[in-house]
Amino acid sequence: AQKVTQAQTEISVVEKEDVTLDCVYETRDTTYYLFWYKQPPSGELVFLIRRNSFDEQNEISGRYSWNFQKSTSSFNFTITASQVVDSAVYFCALRIANTGNQFYFGTGTSLTVIP
Amino acid sequence: NAGVTQTPKFQVLKTGQSMTLQCAQDMNHEYMSWYRQDPGMGLRLIHYSVGAGITDQGEVPNGYNVSRSTTEDFPLRLLSAAPSQTSVYFCASTVRRGLSYNSPLHFGNGTRLTVT
Repeated sequence: AQKVTQAQTEISVVEKEDVTLDCVYETRDTTYYLFWYKQPPSGELVFLIRRNSFDEQNEISGRYSWNFQKSTSSFNFTITASQVVDSAVYFCALRIANTGNQFYFGTGTSLTVIP
Repeated sequence: NAGVTQTPKFQVLKTGQSMTLQCAQDMNHEYMSWYRQDPGMGLRLIHYSVGAGITDQGEVPNGYNVSRSTTEDFPLRLLSAAPSQTSVYFCASTVRRGLSYNSPLHFGNGTRLTVT
């Protein structure tokens, strides 16, 4: 069975602090894809990043970085020097190549950045 | 490029009424799906379709109906609305075939439905 766990329901940080959002996934398939989405207070869902199971390189995009570790089945997301605009709900998702279609979402982490 | 378009943005229904949430995409995506989002529950899959004429149930299909007569459109029907169906509904689409499994879901802007 496939599952994505985001154990942190809510996180609050003060502006300019670093924050890491955890994502742990479960699958027996060897080919899979991981995604992060951002849902700001306006409500839309915005795609942030994808990673396939064969590529364990970490990714950095500006203040955002992602750490993919197959050994711990984790795909964590770090925001460096957080800003108020980072306040949002963040979702991690898993897509399995064999099933081909379904996305399995975590329950999301609500991040509040306090000015 | 419009992407995924959902209508309406807001809707209030009385218990027992029926309605259809519209979803259209202009990206020629084979895969389309409907999710509902409730506090603390994340995004739960209602129904999905891998192409015209093909639909299947997701995690929470009861009380909802779908059809896929064209590649572009994937409407969601509430047959007899219940207060438990008060939620935010998202339509999403993506590429299905071949080596495109790394393609992300593209979401519409959502429909906020209240059933009284």
